[in-house]
Amino acid sequence: DAEITQSPRHKITETGRQVTLACHQTWNHNNMFWYRQDLGHGLRLIHYSYGVQDTNKGEVSDGYSVSRSNTEDLPLTLESAASSQTSVYFCASSSLWETGELFFGEGSRLTVL
Amino acid sequence: ELKVEQNPLFLSMQEGKNYTIYCNYSTTSDRLYWYRQDPGKSLESLFVLLSNGAVKQEGRLMASLDTKARLSTLHITAAVHDLSATYFCAVDEDSNYQLIWGAGTKLIIKP
Repeated sequence: DAEITQSPRHKITETGRQVTLACHQTWNHNNMFWYRQDLGHGLRLIHYSYGVQDTNKGEVSDGYSVSRSNTEDLPLTLESAASSQTSVYFCASSSLWETGELFFGEGSRLTVL
Repeated sequence: ELKVEQNPLFLSMQEGKNYTIYCNYSTTSDRLYWYRQDPGKSLESLFVLLSNGAVKQEGRLMASLDTKARLSTLHITAAVHDLSATYFCAVDEDSNYQLIWGAGTKLIIKP
């Protein structure tokens, strides 16, 4: 079965360190998204990609970057982690040709101390 | 700027009762999505509504879309405990696959 997997599922890091969260999907979807979920804010879009070599900034992109070198992966990098980036991060994907329905990974809980 | 508002944000109800969650959005769109999230878990797609008047049903849940009123409803019939979760609506304003999310409705159903 097709799926979308995130790793690590839990990570604790220190302020100022670089952190990369991995996202891998086997749906063969063109569209991939990174969201963060915080109490009181719902889901907020960080970065998204419509295909290989395409990346775009979302609503809360400061301090984050992504790259898309193949269809399956969209890693999210925090260049210099800050305590404000403590959150649950969700990767999602959708097909370019269908309904726009998003399929989510299991989430990565990041704590920045 | 598109805004998506859900109400209520919190709902505690008894098993067997009916209730409706409302999702209002501020600009024109004909793509609306409902998701469910259990505590500590990922988001699961419930319904995709792609046109005015669309109605979809799955078990005790029914979703509808009125694009003229910019309103979607998620109706729960004869609630059961297993439906306890947080429900989110999301809207795709420009059909560009970037969804704007409501804050979520936390639903607790007491036996």
